[in-house]
Amino acid sequence: SAVISQKPSRDICQRGTSLTIQCQVDSQVTMMFWYRQQPGQSLTLIATANQGSEATYESGFVIDKFPISRPNLTFSTLTVSNMSPEDSSIYLCSVDSGRNTEAFFGQGTRLTVV
Amino acid sequence: AQSVSQHNHHVILSEAASLELGCNYSYGGTVNLFWYVQYPGQHLQLLLKYFSGDPLVKGIKGFEAEFIKSKFSFNLRKPSVQWSDTAEYFCAVRRNNDMRFGAGTRLTVKP
Repeated sequence: SAVISQKPSRDICQRGTSLTIQCQVDSQVTMMFWYRQQPGQSLTLIATANQGSEATYESGFVIDKFPISRPNLTFSTLTVSNMSPEDSSIYLCSVDSGRNTEAFFGQGTRLTVV
Repeated sequence: AQSVSQHNHHVILSEAASLELGCNYSYGGTVNLFWYVQYPGQHLQLLLKYFSGDPLVKGIKGFEAEFIKSKFSFNLRKPSVQWSDTAEYFCAVRRNNDMRFGAGTRLTVKP
């Protein structure tokens, strides 16, 4: 199993600013994932972050808007840049070890952009 | 495109009623299947998972799910729901390193 800590748990931000969300895992993991969960909706994968390589972004998400860092096997950050109210959402960090393993989730960061 | 479909958006039941939530996927090949639950104000928790073997899997809190390969389905069941089962339920499917979630089903259990 893995215990994931996300910071901050929530924030209210002004439009046009940026917020960096941190994800810390209590064990070394190969793959880390960032999801967005908009109000009343399911989880949408933003990107996959593997240590030592550039993050892989899903369709509709770009590095300029959501830059990701993965400096080691236990830590990652997601930045939401130049925020607008449409970015208001819950952002979730997730880890797993690939096929035949389950995914573990952080408690999420609830972002409100005003 | 690969997708995960949950047929019920919102289900309302009385306590002690039986529950079945549908989940279908469009992936081919070998998949891992999951049901996650999100209680109000809490993070996602794993209810149960299927990797291989017995297609009927049992999870926590009396939940079970049956993998029917021919139907590409992984429906969640519970014979008797409780008020505390009120939550959002997400089906998820993984093929290799690609994991996708269904839209979720909101379950409301009336006391």
